[in-house]
Amino acid sequence: DGGITQSPKYLFRKEGQNVTLSCEQNLNHDAMYWYRQDPGQGLRLIYYSQIVNDFQKGDIAEGYSVSREKKESFPLTVTSAQKNPTAFYLCASTDLAESYNEQFFGPGTRLTVL
Amino acid sequence: GQNIDQPTEMTATEGAIVQINCTYQTSGFNGLFWYQQHAGEAPTFLSYNVLDGLEEKGRFSSFLSRSKGYSYLLLKELQMKDSASYLCAVVDSNYQLIWGAGTKLIIKP
Repeated sequence: DGGITQSPKYLFRKEGQNVTLSCEQNLNHDAMYWYRQDPGQGLRLIYYSQIVNDFQKGDIAEGYSVSREKKESFPLTVTSAQKNPTAFYLCASTDLAESYNEQFFGPGTRLTVL
Repeated sequence: GQNIDQPTEMTATEGAIVQINCTYQTSGFNGLFWYQQHAGEAPTFLSYNVLDGLEEKGRFSSFLSRSKGYSYLLLKELQMKDSASYLCAVVDSNYQLIWGAGTKLIIKP
């Protein structure tokens, strides 16, 4: 079965620690995205990548970093510079060859910083 | 700036019909998505409109008017499992998705 996996589903960290959230897809999609969702708010774009070894900042990239060394993988690091990292993080991917860019989502990681 | 407006919350009765509106002001338009998101879960695709008019898919229909910057999602024969948030998202001129804050739909028996 093709899909997007994110792990872990719940993650707890102490303030000041960096943490890396994983995202893997076996859909052979070119583009991958990281979103942050806070209660009662829509999805806000952190970073996106349309090709291996290239990525672009989204609207709220400060305090986050990414890498795209493989087409299947797009890990997100939440650094200690992120002021309020507690949130629900969603990874998505899309096939750029399709006529419309439906985004497929992973199950999400809920990060709590104590 | 880019802006998408949806009602924050709506309540409807099981078996009834509900219409969730979405208005948008974006830099360019290349389509509009509706997604359903149950609490604590990932959004799942419901519909896509790029041309004016109504798209029907089972109990769900979505309408678009590009000249008015307006869309709605119509849910018929409401079931308890339809209790969720409904997200409107517009594809802008850079082919990026701009997301609304979502409408939380509460279904009562």
